[in-house]
Amino acid sequence: NAGVMQNPRHLVRRRGQEARLRCSPMKGHSHVYWYRQLPEEGLKFMVYLQKENIIDESGMPKERFSAEFPKEGPSILRIQQVVRGDSAAYFCASSPGQAPGVYGYTFGSGTRLTVV
Amino acid sequence: AQTVTQSQPEMSVQEAETVTLSCTYDTSESDYYLFWYKQPPSRQMILVIRQEAYKQQNATENRFSVNFQKAAKSFSLKISDSQLGDAAMYFCAYNGGATNKLIFGTGTLLAVQP
Repeated sequence: NAGVMQNPRHLVRRRGQEARLRCSPMKGHSHVYWYRQLPEEGLKFMVYLQKENIIDESGMPKERFSAEFPKEGPSILRIQQVVRGDSAAYFCASSPGQAPGVYGYTFGSGTRLTVV
Repeated sequence: AQTVTQSQPEMSVQEAETVTLSCTYDTSESDYYLFWYKQPPSRQMILVIRQEAYKQQNATENRFSVNFQKAAKSFSLKISDSQLGDAAMYFCAYNGGATNKLIFGTGTLLAVQP
């Protein structure tokens, strides 16, 4: 079991470009969560998805950010027209069930996005 | 809203000694879970230990144990016989029983001196 796979590990984008971050959950996990870690801070929840459904996007910025988890393929976090403030580490976690307290999360190694 | 506070930005411990990392949280819920995660320089988030709020017994995983004080809303992590590999950022996290998200503290950077 390869664990939660995130790619790329590092991503550099110029201001105004688009960033696409990918996350393949652990085998058998159908619940995916995205978190953002700004420098010197803890992880902040962004969005929770199940296959083809966004369940909770209360942590997503209202503009430029979107996420999907299609029936086939990885979950994608998309940031349009990136700005310097988007520079952060973005983590994906997956779970076999809806309650992380019960089932636990498995985190990927994160994607570090740098906007220049 | 629930919050998690880690008041120690940095801590240092001598190898083989014991260190305690502090965490307090605020919630009005009675059913919840608490976690400690370790983040080494590789950036990987590694689950260290998990505590269920309805269990009075403190969780233990080898050299790692917690002191869970529900009334005081305190959840400290004790690392015994510290090893060089324990050097990392440690995050305390909260999950309310009815929600899907983890709420993290700002972390404590632990240095282990040889």
